Amino acid sequence: AQKITQTQPGMFVQEKEAVTLDCTYDTSDQSYGLFWYKQPSSGEMIFLIYQGSYDEQNATEGRYSLNFQKARKSANLVISASQLGDSAMYFCAMREFPTSGTYKYIFGTGTRLKVLA
Amino acid sequence: KAGVTQTPRYLIKTRGQQVTLSCSPISGHRSVSWYQQTPGQGLQFLFEYFSETQRNKGNFPGRFSGRQFSNSRSEMNVSTLELGDSALYLCASSFALTGQGEQYFGPGTRLTVT
Repeated sequence: AQKITQTQPGMFVQEKEAVTLDCTYDTSDQSYGLFWYKQPSSGEMIFLIYQGSYDEQNATEGRYSLNFQKARKSANLVISASQLGDSAMYFCAMREFPTSGTYKYIFGTGTRLKVLA
Repeated sequence: KAGVTQTPRYLIKTRGQQVTLSCSPISGHRSVSWYQQTPGQGLQFLFEYFSETQRNKGNFPGRFSGRQFSNSRSEMNVSTLELGDSALYLCASSFALTGQGEQYFGPGTRLTVT
């Protein structure tokens, strides 16, 4: 069954340091997409980064990079040079590309990141 | 370019009532998805609409329904509200149904059922 696991309910990081948020997934499909979203206390989900299952290179978006290890089924988010504004809940998500017309878009339980000054 | 908008932002209803939530996607986006977020269950997919047709549905009872209009705006309806329906309801839009890119989320509607 399709599943996303985020094992870190909460994490602390010092400002300006890098932090890695873990995400493992389980799917039997060959074609899928992995996403990371940030949800500040305001509630709005903000897209951070995307990795396709066939992408050979790790995705990067500014200070965000996705450490994609397909064989291990992990898609960890790395935030470099943490800023106070990075304090938020972070969700890993997976979406299978529809073949039969039905699919699911599922989210992990999230990791709450607190950046310390 | 305007983002995804959701109305209303906050709503208080009583058990047994019904409620309609609205979502306006980003201009040019044809796919609208709905999610329910609760502390206990996390984020759960409700359904997705594309070109006025429901393309996929999550594991929610039939009390949850939706529709999409020709301008891609979408509404979600919950009938016979239960206390457990209290949640943040998020709407997200994307350009394509099978989009390999991201979904853009709205600010959500916080529904409280008393």
